[in-house]
Amino acid sequence: NAGVTQTPKFQVLKTGQSMTLQCAQDMNHEYMSWYRQDPGMGLRLIHYSVGAGITDQGEVPNGYNVSRSTTEDFPLRLLSAAPSQTSVYFCASSRIVRTGELFFGEGSRLTVL
Amino acid sequence: AQSVSQHNHHVILSEAASLELGCNYSYGGTVNLFWYVQYPGQHLQLLLKYFSGDPLVKGIKGFEAEFIKSKFSFNLRKPSVQWSDTAEYFCAVLTRTSYGKLTFGQGTILTVHP
Repeated sequence: NAGVTQTPKFQVLKTGQSMTLQCAQDMNHEYMSWYRQDPGMGLRLIHYSVGAGITDQGEVPNGYNVSRSTTEDFPLRLLSAAPSQTSVYFCASSRIVRTGELFFGEGSRLTVL
Repeated sequence: AQSVSQHNHHVILSEAASLELGCNYSYGGTVNLFWYVQYPGQHLQLLLKYFSGDPLVKGIKGFEAEFIKSKFSFNLRKPSVQWSDTAEYFCAVLTRTSYGKLTFGQGTILTVHP
């Protein structure tokens, strides 16, 4: 079982560049989310989606866009990368929105120079 | 908004030592509580969860956690750690009003020496 798949695993960007982190899940989960992990700060929610066509902001949404055109895919777009966006990004999904039992991808390590 | 605090940033133990990692949350209503673990080079995975009922919950690999409502705490314990328990541990809370949005603590890095 693939579970939650994130690509790329590693990426280096220059300030001002844009890119998309891909996330796909094959478990037919309605809920998908993006977190960023920074040392000493735990995981912070960027954006989330409770179903196709529905997205909402989390705790730290600035500088990021998302869309959810299908149940399976939830890409995260960095519009104009900044050094403050250097982080490890995790995509997570859940079968039932309210349970909090998340399945995580393996993470994408992004460095912005 | 709710918040989660983990008291220790880095805990270093020898094998067979007992473990207790602290977790406190700030929210006055009903909560679901979780511990997630991230082994080196791997993604986060669920260790254990509390929804309701018995406040002492057991998870995988011999871990357990106790929910103490009066103290707003959900501490993680293991009687005897192993080298393979070396990982980062995250406490997380879900409230009825957060609609699926987990709030995570800062994480505690556990290093177990053989």
